[in-house]
Amino acid sequence: EVVMTQSPLSLPVTLGQPASISCRSSQSLVYSDGNTYLNWFQQRPGQSPRRLFYKVSDRDSGVPDRFSGSGSGTDFTLKISNVEAEDVGVYYCMQGTHWPPTFGGGTKVEIK
Amino acid sequence: QLQLQESGPGLVKPSETLSLTCAVSGGPIRIGTYYWGWVRQPPGKGLEWIGSIYYSGRTHYNPSLESRVTISVDTSKNQFSLSLNFVTAADTAVYYCARHEVAAAAPDYWGQGTLVTVSS
Repeated sequence: EVVMTQSPLSLPVTLGQPASISCRSSQSLVYSDGNTYLNWFQQRPGQSPRRLFYKVSDRDSGVPDRFSGSGSGTDFTLKISNVEAEDVGVYYCMQGTHWPPTFGGGTKVEIK
Repeated sequence: QLQLQESGPGLVKPSETLSLTCAVSGGPIRIGTYYWGWVRQPPGKGLEWIGSIYYSGRTHYNPSLESRVTISVDTSKNQFSLSLNFVTAADTAVYYCARHEVAAAAPDYWGQGTLVTVSS
């Protein structure tokens, strides 16, 4: 199965400062249809995961535009331009290109 | 607004069968563009895909669990179910049901999750 590796494991951030999370896959995530099925999820404490982005950079409805997704092939990034208190939680990347779908280990974003 | 709600026993004995149901409201499960799936999360750990089912009954399972998993669907009740047999402590987790598009395993709606503990 495809291994998804996230870094860092923990990300302390000052309010209003930017944050960046890296996600790397053990195989290319480009599917035969030309799409790259790399998704990002946010899991706030005590809540279910919430999808933020699908196909690398397609933002879900209601996701603030301070969040952005980018990348290609095997290297992907989730950025938060100005971290707010409500952004605290664990962020997961997930690939849906190869079966079974697999998640990264998560990056915990916390406020300094 | 689509809602998914898991239900089932919170405690299962080792070697027995874990059974959960996901009730879907706010939309039909019998819709051609979506699969309905299960994802689990051991306490304090990451997420693991268990499998998915189409309304027709077509299933896709994670190979790591395939020998122990059955996912079924009941379109008349607008719900789908998970059965995991021969459970061990390693199966203790929060189990989520979720919906994803046929073309992409990227769940856009999730249930609130239900904790299942495997213990004697």
